[in-house]
Amino acid sequence: DTGVSQDPRHKITKRGQNVTFRCDPISEHNRLYWYRQTLGQGPEFLTYFQNEAQLEKSRLLSDRFSAERPKGSFSTLEIQRTEQGDSAMYLCASSPTAPETQYFGPGTRLLVL
Amino acid sequence: QKEVEQNSGPLSVPEGAIASLNCTYSDRGSQSFFWYRQYSGKSPELIMSIYSNGDKEDGRFTAQLNKASQYVSLLIRDSQPSDSATYLCAALNQAGTALIFGKGTTLSVSS
Repeated sequence: DTGVSQDPRHKITKRGQNVTFRCDPISEHNRLYWYRQTLGQGPEFLTYFQNEAQLEKSRLLSDRFSAERPKGSFSTLEIQRTEQGDSAMYLCASSPTAPETQYFGPGTRLLVL
Repeated sequence: QKEVEQNSGPLSVPEGAIASLNCTYSDRGSQSFFWYRQYSGKSPELIMSIYSNGDKEDGRFTAQLNKASQYVSLLIRDSQPSDSATYLCAALNQAGTALIFGKGTTLSVSS
């Protein structure tokens, strides 16, 4: 257990529904990251927060995806109008400013039917 | 497109042998490199970080970095069946905002 928690751990939804995932980072870490991993691939970067500011978003993050970190603590990732291609493991990681070592949470496995 | 390349394997070694995992990266601006272990169905677990050219040892694990060749490796000595997993190599992008991962190498250690 790295100290990063994610909720829920599993989510099954129907195509077109909205889903929201939560990540609680290690408390003293000011940096938070979201990644997506599909079978047989390495994690792919989605977005990065430093404190409450979202400083970088991947081109993978379509306009159906939105992420927030309102008070610089926990973060949420929302997917609107889910598609079957959104089925993946969604990973959250956190790190201090230095060293920039990222620790991953257990992930949320999403299945879109 | 910044990339990290790994041989997907599977790499099979007998128990007690040395397992050698390799990775190359394309972004010369990357300065920090990481090895993660991932068991099936689980999230990545940090094994090693390396920032300077040369070797870094931690228990049975040794990471090696050669920035001129843009090459990172991980040696696992005295391999155990519990080491059987997928090993992910990652480079931190130049901005320090995202890890770029390879697809991972699957290691199988037979007893």
